[in-house]
Amino acid sequence: EADIYQTPRYLVIGTGKKITLECSQTMGHDKMYWYQQDPGMELHLIHYSYGVNSTEKGDLSSESTVSRIRTEHFPLTLESARPSHTSQYLCASSGPLGNTIYFGEGSWLTVV
Amino acid sequence: AQSVTQLGSHVSVSEGALVLLRCNYSSSVPPYLFWYVQYPNQGLQLLLKYTTGATLVKGINGFEAEFKKSETSFHLTKPSAHMSDAAEYFCAVSPRGDSSYKLIFGSGTRLLVRP
Repeated sequence: EADIYQTPRYLVIGTGKKITLECSQTMGHDKMYWYQQDPGMELHLIHYSYGVNSTEKGDLSSESTVSRIRTEHFPLTLESARPSHTSQYLCASSGPLGNTIYFGEGSWLTVV
Repeated sequence: AQSVTQLGSHVSVSEGALVLLRCNYSSSVPPYLFWYVQYPNQGLQLLLKYTTGATLVKGINGFEAEFKKSETSFHLTKPSAHMSDAAEYFCAVSPRGDSSYKLIFGSGTRLLVRP
């Protein structure tokens, strides 16, 4: 079982607020990912990282930003939240073989 | 571009009945293939994966899937459904040769299990 942790699990914030979703993994995985999932819908990749100081945008355009200063940590930030950002955000990582991705439990964000 | 099609957004079976969830991919080069399960308000848990070798893959909780290149399919089955199998199931692919190993997901199938 993978050890990947996301905080907060649930967050309700007002429009215009800045928020950071935390993601940490204890497996030493190089690759990390952020997926966005609207309720009842499929997942879309919004950011990924090959390793420290490497970040790339995913297939779905997102106003969020990410950073990768440490291997184990891959936070996602929204500078000014809007109701359209309401969604579930899932963090994931993969190891040296790269062909299995492990997911955290997700962060549910509601912007009111 | 690579895509994944899951036939049926909802599948309903009786407890004890066969579960069949369908997944087809669209690429000439078979990708890595995965099935994930998602329980309410949870993240995704890997059920099984196909990378190479034997085309019938066994996973957790009694599920298995068979890779059929000629049909570009990777359908998920379980001989006997249990109430605890009720969840959302996602088929996903990762293109071979893509060093990011990012996943491309299908739209998901919600499995309902009737008592």
